[in-house]
Amino acid sequence: GQQLNQSPQSMFIQEGEDVSMNCTSSSIFNTWLWYKQDPGEGPVLLIALYKAGELTSNGRLTAQFGITRKDSFLNISASIPSDVGIYFCAGRLDSRLTFGEGTQLTVNP
Amino acid sequence: GAGVSQSPSNKVTEKGKDVELRCDPISGHTALYWYRQSLGQGLEFLIYFQGNSAPDKSGLPSDRFSAERTGGSVSTLTIQRTQQEDSAVYLCASSASGLNQPQHFGDGTRLSIL
Repeated sequence: GQQLNQSPQSMFIQEGEDVSMNCTSSSIFNTWLWYKQDPGEGPVLLIALYKAGELTSNGRLTAQFGITRKDSFLNISASIPSDVGIYFCAGRLDSRLTFGEGTQLTVNP
Repeated sequence: GAGVSQSPSNKVTEKGKDVELRCDPISGHTALYWYRQSLGQGLEFLIYFQGNSAPDKSGLPSDRFSAERTGGSVSTLTIQRTQQEDSAVYLCASSASGLNQPQHFGDGTRLSIL
């Protein structure tokens, strides 16, 4: 089946720093999505990408859909304490989403 | 409510018992999904509903797992004869019709099997 490799598994950064995380897949997807999950809550959609090569921003977040359709990255600029959480990439080929293992982000004030 | 609602939020039960988890999707969303999240892991797809039918149930891990949806709205996920490895957070998502419609998640049911 499809597998997503997400890296890094965890990051510890200082407030104000930029951070980057990425996902690679063994097979192609038609859609890439990035979600953030806080403890005890469901994932919340941050950015959705629908076209290979697409670069999309949402405030301090920027994500790209890789040209090969097998990868995506998420950048967060000028991090703030409330960026703390687990970030998941997800790829979609048909109806289901395939999720990466998550990146745990810690932001030190 | 405006979002996906799941109940109960927490469930503790003994091994061998049956459990039923409920999902109320966003009003008007025709697609509904169940996922399972084990501790420290990503989400694992279980089943997808379009209306009341389930065109993709390939993620259900065993025949102890079943799900139904009635009236194109509420869905229940049933686990029979629970095992300890069933302990996880069960998340429900819904979306409007169309493959590019984003999936919106509830806060999940945390299931613990003793």
